[in-house]
Amino acid sequence: GAVVSQHPSRVICKSGTSVKIECRSLDFQATTMFWYRQFPKQSLMLMATSNEGSKATYEQGVEKDKFLINHASLTLSTLTVTSAHPEDSSFYICSANGRGQLNQPQHFGDGTRLSIL
Amino acid sequence: KQEVTQIPAALSVPEGENLVLNCSFTDSAIYNLQWFRQDPGKGLTSLLLIQSSQREQTSGRLNASLDKSSGRSTLYIAASQPGDSATYLCAVGAGSYQLTFGKGTKLSVIP
Repeated sequence: GAVVSQHPSRVICKSGTSVKIECRSLDFQATTMFWYRQFPKQSLMLMATSNEGSKATYEQGVEKDKFLINHASLTLSTLTVTSAHPEDSSFYICSANGRGQLNQPQHFGDGTRLSIL
Repeated sequence: KQEVTQIPAALSVPEGENLVLNCSFTDSAIYNLQWFRQDPGKGLTSLLLIQSSQREQTSGRLNASLDKSSGRSTLYIAASQPGDSATYLCAVGAGSYQLTFGKGTKLSVIP
């Protein structure tokens, strides 16, 4: 079945560091990718929606200059947390849909645990 | 704004019991509803997807129902096993195909 690979699975770094997270669709063309953030014991909150070749659409309250999203190809989207601070520590998960599959189950990556010291 | 609520937040049952997880949502204008399983520190595994025109979906020991008009869905797990222990998330798909998630129900099945 369809697989979405997310890398890295865990990042621990100092405050002020920029961190890039990759989300790849391995066996389908991901025309739409979604980035979520999950705080402990909270639900997944959608951060942004990215469509291949166009600018990402950010949810209210998500700083687009802090969370840079690039969806340059049909198999790769990246999320860069710029100048990360301890409050950015969270579990980040991507998901993807293929062309004509927007009403089908989204395929999720395994997530990235980001810890900012 | 769509809000999704899951009750209970946590549930502990002995192995072999049948159980029901509940999900409610505030806006009935949905495209679909999905149930996911999340293991600790892991991503999400899709269990069942119910389209807005459907009433239920079944997969193995799992059965999910949808009552769109009342804004409710249930996930029924038959003959629970320790391997079913995980957090179960309900998510509602809306017009933009984005998902709104509940906080989940943490299930523990005790051998």
